[in-house]
Amino acid sequence: SAVISQKPSRDICQRGTSLTIQCQVDSQVTMMFWYRQQPGQSLTLIATANQGSEATYESGFVIDKFPISRPNLTFSTLTVSNMSPEDSSIYLCSVRQARGEQYFGPGTRLTVT
Amino acid sequence: GESVGLHLPTLSVQEGDNSIINCAYSNSASDYFIWYKQESGKGPQFIIDIRSNMDKRQGQRVTVLLNKTVKHLSLQIAATQPGDSAVYFCAGESGGSYIPTFGRGTSLIVHP
Repeated sequence: SAVISQKPSRDICQRGTSLTIQCQVDSQVTMMFWYRQQPGQSLTLIATANQGSEATYESGFVIDKFPISRPNLTFSTLTVSNMSPEDSSIYLCSVRQARGEQYFGPGTRLTVT
Repeated sequence: GESVGLHLPTLSVQEGDNSIINCAYSNSASDYFIWYKQESGKGPQFIIDIRSNMDKRQGQRVTVLLNKTVKHLSLQIAATQPGDSAVYFCAGESGGSYIPTFGRGTSLIVHP
């Protein structure tokens, strides 16, 4: 199993600013992902965080808006840039070891005013 | 890609009853399916998975059934307890992508 922590757990931000979310895993993992979950909705994959190289973004998400870092096998950050109220959501870090169980962090609840 | 959807957004049951949550998928190439439970304020938690070479898999109080002919899977929870109240998501993968597509989610409400 993997235990994932995220910081911050929640934040209220003003439009036009940026927020960086941190994800820390208690063990080395192959795959790390960032998801967005709007209230009452399902999960949407933003990107796969690749260690030592640029993240792989899903359709509709771009690096300028959601820059991602992954300096090692246990840590990643997601930045939500130039925020607008439409970015209000829960952002979830997730990890996986090949085709095994996928684990999720507790999420970061972001509100943009 | 594929779409994975759920039939009912909310399911209310009495404590002790059996619950059945359904899910349909569209991609016939999907070969791996997972059920997740998400409690309020928490991230999704893995419950059980099933590969396409199986049609049934059992865990503790949970059973997943897969019908590839009609592209349907279900999660059965036996003797439902108040602690089972949560949103349940199905997810499917195909071709070794390791990227699941999540369904819409069903909110299970268990009344004591």
